[in-house]
Amino acid sequence: DVKVTQSSRYLVKRTGEKVFLECVQDMDHENMFWYRQDPGLGLRLIYFSYDVKMKEKGDIPEGYSVSREKKERFSLILESASTNQTSMYLCASSSGGTGVNTEAFFGQGTRLTVV
Amino acid sequence: AQKITQTQPGMFVQEKEAVTLDCTYDTSDPSYGLFWYKQPSSGEMIFLIYQGSYDQQNATEGRYSLNFQKARKSANLVISASQLGDSAMYFCAMKGGNTGKLIFGQGTTLQVKP
Repeated sequence: DVKVTQSSRYLVKRTGEKVFLECVQDMDHENMFWYRQDPGLGLRLIYFSYDVKMKEKGDIPEGYSVSREKKERFSLILESASTNQTSMYLCASSSGGTGVNTEAFFGQGTRLTVV
Repeated sequence: AQKITQTQPGMFVQEKEAVTLDCTYDTSDPSYGLFWYKQPSSGEMIFLIYQGSYDQQNATEGRYSLNFQKARKSANLVISASQLGDSAMYFCAMKGGNTGKLIFGQGTTLQVKP
């Protein structure tokens, strides 16, 4: 079975802190994604990567950056956490590179609270 | 730019009846894929069904079928014979472009009444 593992289930950080959310997948997938999920807004794409060291901005990249130094790991970085970044963060991966016919597999999510 | 829209924030259905969850999309890519996911209260994301833009027939997976109307840019999910365990949030998603970008709609909460 495909496994996508996010490093923390719950996280509480202070305003202004630099926050790292880690995601690891074990199926050699080319694509990895970071979303935030907020009530009424669905899943909004922050960043994605279709290959090692490649990254593309999603729909809401402001205040975030990402790193993909190895194929299996995709990190989301909040450079200076703010209260409006309190949310559920979901990582996903899929095979197929730039293809369109492969489903994504999700991690369990990280509920981040910024105080 | 790609866009996915789900206009039904919440839906109710009686157990054993069929229900349709709406999804419209917008893209200029000729090749794209459409997906539906289920998210129960436990929070996990469960893949349900896939439809490719070039597929001639509507996709079906057990009690799930996708009513794909390409000209109208809609990809509605039909759940037949609803069960109590179908109560969940449902998300429509689209993968396209030349980078495999995957975007989601706002979601629809479905509640199945006994």
